[in-house]
Amino acid sequence: LAKTTQPISMDSYEGQEVNITCSHNNIATNDYITWYQQFPSQGPRFIIQGYKTKVTNEVASLFIPADRKSSTLSLPRVSLSDTAVYYCLVGDINTGGFKTIFGAGTRLFVKA
Amino acid sequence: DGGITQSPKYLFRKEGQNVTLSCEQNLNHDAMYWYRQDPGQGLRLIYYSQIVNDFQKGDIAEGYSVSREKKESFPLTVTSAQKNPTAFYLCASSPRTLLVDGYTFGSGTRLTVV
Repeated sequence: LAKTTQPISMDSYEGQEVNITCSHNNIATNDYITWYQQFPSQGPRFIIQGYKTKVTNEVASLFIPADRKSSTLSLPRVSLSDTAVYYCLVGDINTGGFKTIFGAGTRLFVKA
Repeated sequence: DGGITQSPKYLFRKEGQNVTLSCEQNLNHDAMYWYRQDPGQGLRLIYYSQIVNDFQKGDIAEGYSVSREKKESFPLTVTSAQKNPTAFYLCASSPRTLLVDGYTFGSGTRLTVV
């Protein structure tokens, strides 16, 4: 199973772009990279998923270099409501979610 | 609206009691999961089920039991054998593959031993 490493916490200010990097040196060929967001006392929520290069949706962008050993979640112009824990998951999405591991995540704190 | 419902939101258990946490989904997902989250920690997998009438232990199954008699339902029983059950419990579901939108989580049950 691919192990992921993320910063424990990050601080930012409203209106700034936030980039959270996740290391996954032993990512396998069939593994995808998925990011989730969790607010206190709620379940995690899917943000974005990718395999290589760049993926963008209405919420975030995901940058994956050619060697796929890391990935960066980019949140444009954060607001106070983006204060949450962000999880990076790596796993083969075609073989079932039971093999993916949620680490401790990155606690993002957005200040006014 | 499709979703996943956990109940109750808060649950208090006395020492030595078994309690059952409910999880129901109407997303027609094949797979369902139970996770435990302790303060400041990530999620740890308790049990998962990929199909009705079948389930597998996760990383921390001791002291817990589950059933999957219906596709929509995956209740978790916290037994008296679980020595430290106070935690936030999250149920999730997913299609057989996670290609589209990944897991869908419920809003959680906070269990406290009194």
